[in-house]
Amino acid sequence: AQTVTQSQPEMSVQEAETVTLSCTYDTSENNYYLFWYKQPPSRQMILVIRQEAYKQQNATENRFSVNFQKAAKSFSLKISDSQLGDTAMYFCAFMKGPPSGTYKYIFGTGTRLKVLA
Amino acid sequence: NAGVTQTPKFRVLKTGQSMTLLCAQDMNHEYMYWYRQDPGMGLRLIHYSVGEGTTAKGEVPDGYNVSRLKKQNFLLGLESAAPSQTSVYFCASSYEKGDRRYGASYEQYFGPGTRLTVT
Repeated sequence: AQTVTQSQPEMSVQEAETVTLSCTYDTSENNYYLFWYKQPPSRQMILVIRQEAYKQQNATENRFSVNFQKAAKSFSLKISDSQLGDTAMYFCAFMKGPPSGTYKYIFGTGTRLKVLA
Repeated sequence: NAGVTQTPKFRVLKTGQSMTLLCAQDMNHEYMYWYRQDPGMGLRLIHYSVGEGTTAKGEVPDGYNVSRLKKQNFLLGLESAAPSQTSVYFCASSYEKGDRRYGASYEQYFGPGTRLTVT
């Protein structure tokens, strides 16, 4: 069975600084997808970034980028130029890909990030 | 587009009572999910559906039942509520966007959540 581990329950960062959130996973699959979701105090879950396992290039979305290390089964999220609006809970998620996948996610326990003014 | 909506937003139940949570999506998505979120435990999958008329168990299905009679709706039922079911419940929907050969997207779209307290 797949597992997702986020070892940092809480983190803080100064506004405009860079922070990295870690995520490791365990799977014997070769085709899978990884995601980072953000949950601000409003409770709404928002997709931040995703990565296909077969792609070697790390995904980037504006200030958000990942460091995907397939052999190490590591998927960290880097937030550059942190903003107060980045304050949220961040969840890492794993999904087994087709054709064997069932399209369901396995989530980590989350990292609560606080951006300090 | 309303996206994914959940009814109700809040509910307080007494132990042993029953209730149904309704999830509705207007995006014509094939896949729908029910999660529960508890402090320190992330989101855990209760049940899911890969199409109208189909349902399957997730990680923590005990004490819950689901139905997907219409593609746009996914109902979560608690037949006899217990204090251990106090949680925030999220519904999500998804579809296979794009071509698998070039990297399809399986983004899940979440509802706003339902806070349920069982006393």
